[in-house]
Amino acid sequence: DIVMTQTPLSLSVTPGQPASISCKSSQSLLHSDGKTYLYWYLQKPGQPPQLLIYEVSNRFSGVPDRFSGSGSGTDFTLKISRVEAEDVGVYYCMQSIQLPLFFGGGTKVEIK
Amino acid sequence: QVQLQESGPGLVKPSQTLSLTCTVSGGSISSGGYYWSWIRQHPGKGLEWIGYIYYSGSTYYNPSLKSRVTISVDTSKNQFSLKLSSVTAADTAVYYCAREPFSGGIDYWGQGTLVTVSS
Repeated sequence: DIVMTQTPLSLSVTPGQPASISCKSSQSLLHSDGKTYLYWYLQKPGQPPQLLIYEVSNRFSGVPDRFSGSGSGTDFTLKISRVEAEDVGVYYCMQSIQLPLFFGGGTKVEIK
Repeated sequence: QVQLQESGPGLVKPSQTLSLTCTVSGGSISSGGYYWSWIRQHPGKGLEWIGYIYYSGSTYYNPSLKSRVTISVDTSKNQFSLKLSSVTAADTAVYYCAREPFSGGIDYWGQGTLVTVSS
């Protein structure tokens, strides 16, 4: 199994300030097809997870451009350029290069 | 836009079988290009992928649950289902159905349904 490790566990951010979440995988997520199978999700309170970023750095439909993803191999980062109140929730990274799919433990983002 | 909705009993007795159905709207399960998945989330915890099915009936289950899990599909109703046998309190969780594109990841999720295992 590919283990996904997220840091920090929680983050308290002033509105308008940036935030950054790290995700590390136990194996490379780079496939021989050239794609890297790393995804980011946001689970807002009381809701299911929603896809933010696919294949490391591609924003899903409707996702604001204040969200960006970067990284390669085993080290990845999700950045929010200016946190807004609606961004609160738990952020998860996930790998889909290998079954079973595995999620990181989550990073809870709160507003100061 | 595709929508998924879980349905089924919210309370299951220990040692019995948990059964849930996911109804897909806004797209046909039979159109291909996607796997149809189940994921669960224990109260206050992270996400655990259970397994998926393709419309043809082929499946893949998480080895941690494989001995107790069955996922099936009914293309005539545009539904797929989860059965988890011999449940215990440790199976109490919110169960989500979701869509996995062949290209990878999970793009759409149902709202989730809480299943409590208790006598």
